[in-house]
Amino acid sequence: GENVEQHPSTLSVQEGDSAVIKCTYSDSASNYFPWYKQELGKRPQLIIDIRSNVGEKKDQRIAVTLNKTAKHFSLHITETQPEDSAVYFCAATNSGYALNFGKGTSLLVTP
Amino acid sequence: SQTIHQWPATLVQPVGSPLSLECTVEGTSNPNLYWYRQAAGRGLQLLFYSVGIGQISSEVPQNLSASRPQDRQFILSSKKLLLSDSGFYLCAWSQRPYEQYFGPGTRLTVT
Repeated sequence: GENVEQHPSTLSVQEGDSAVIKCTYSDSASNYFPWYKQELGKRPQLIIDIRSNVGEKKDQRIAVTLNKTAKHFSLHITETQPEDSAVYFCAATNSGYALNFGKGTSLLVTP
Repeated sequence: SQTIHQWPATLVQPVGSPLSLECTVEGTSNPNLYWYRQAAGRGLQLLFYSVGIGQISSEVPQNLSASRPQDRQFILSSKKLLLSDSGFYLCAWSQRPYEQYFGPGTRLTVT
């Protein structure tokens, strides 16, 4: 089955800096790659996603890039703010139903 | 707009007791429904998903079961809880494959 690895497990940046989180996947048939943000004790929230026919997608300060050849995708957050502090999860699926999640990255943005 | 409900919000149950968690979705018809478990400090693991009434796909063999008695209702059950069943149980919905949106979750502690 699909295996998704996520790095780093923790990331600390200063406010205003950029943050990058990387994920690799094993199933070359995977075609959908969402990113979720989970604040402490809350539900995961879908923040951005990308399909396999697109190389990059941007939404304000957040962007995701996909390299199908290398089987990796990344989340980029620019001009980080303290409210960006949370755990971020990547996922991949080849069916659209069974999301396979990475183990998460705990992002801390310090003022 | 669509709303997803889960109850109870928290639950403490002894080992060997039964379990029933309920999830309902409002504001949409014929949604895809999902049950995930998140162990403390871990990623999300898909347990079951359903594309219609009475249609259940199991992703992980264990002592849990799921049922979908109505279009917008999804139930997670167990006959006898294990200590390892403790975790944060999240229901999710999607209108079609891919974009999944999570409910508020049920925090289960098995003692």
